[in-house]
Amino acid sequence: GAVVSQHPSWVICKSGTSVKIECRSLDFQATTMFWYRQFPKQSLMLMATSNEGSKATYEQGVEKDKFLINHASLTLSTLTVTSAHPEDSSFYICSARGAYEQYFGPGTRLTVT
Amino acid sequence: GDSVTQMEGPVTLSEEAFLTINCTYTATGYPSLFWYVQYPGEGLQLLLKATKADDKGSNKGFEATYRKETTSFHLEKGSVQVSDSAVYFCALSPFKGQGAQKLVFGQGTRLTINP
Repeated sequence: GAVVSQHPSWVICKSGTSVKIECRSLDFQATTMFWYRQFPKQSLMLMATSNEGSKATYEQGVEKDKFLINHASLTLSTLTVTSAHPEDSSFYICSARGAYEQYFGPGTRLTVT
Repeated sequence: GDSVTQMEGPVTLSEEAFLTINCTYTATGYPSLFWYVQYPGEGLQLLLKATKADDKGSNKGFEATYRKETTSFHLEKGSVQVSDSAVYFCALSPFKGQGAQKLVFGQGTRLTINP
């Protein structure tokens, strides 16, 4: 099946710094990718929809200036958490849109100290 | 807005036991319904889906029936195996037949099967 990778799988950063997370579709092209956030023991919450070559569409309540999304190619979308704070610590999951379903990456654990 | 509620875990069963994980939803229109599974260290994988009322999705011995009258999509398996240990997510897409579009997830249920 289709494979989606994320890098890094986990990252620790200091408060006030920025962190970039990559999401790649390895064996197919994806014009649309999705970014989700998952808190412990809670469901995945859609943050934004990333479209190749255009601006991302953010869900209500998600700060677009804090969570910068760039979908520069048909196989790569990046999420940058700017000026990270401890409350941004979470598990971030991306998915890539296929013809009939979404294919999910393994997730990135972000810890802000 | 649209939402999904699934039974809280963790759920622990013995091998060959019968499994039910409850899932109910709230949605306007005619959503599509999904079950995803996440094995340790891996991404979510689509387990099964149903796109209209009374449809039954099935895969790997798992089944779920789209019940519009009870707004439910319970996951069942007759005889679980140790390899079924994973986290299971119920989800809906507000767009009929469009699993590639926006998804709304339940909170996930961690299942552990003991030999």
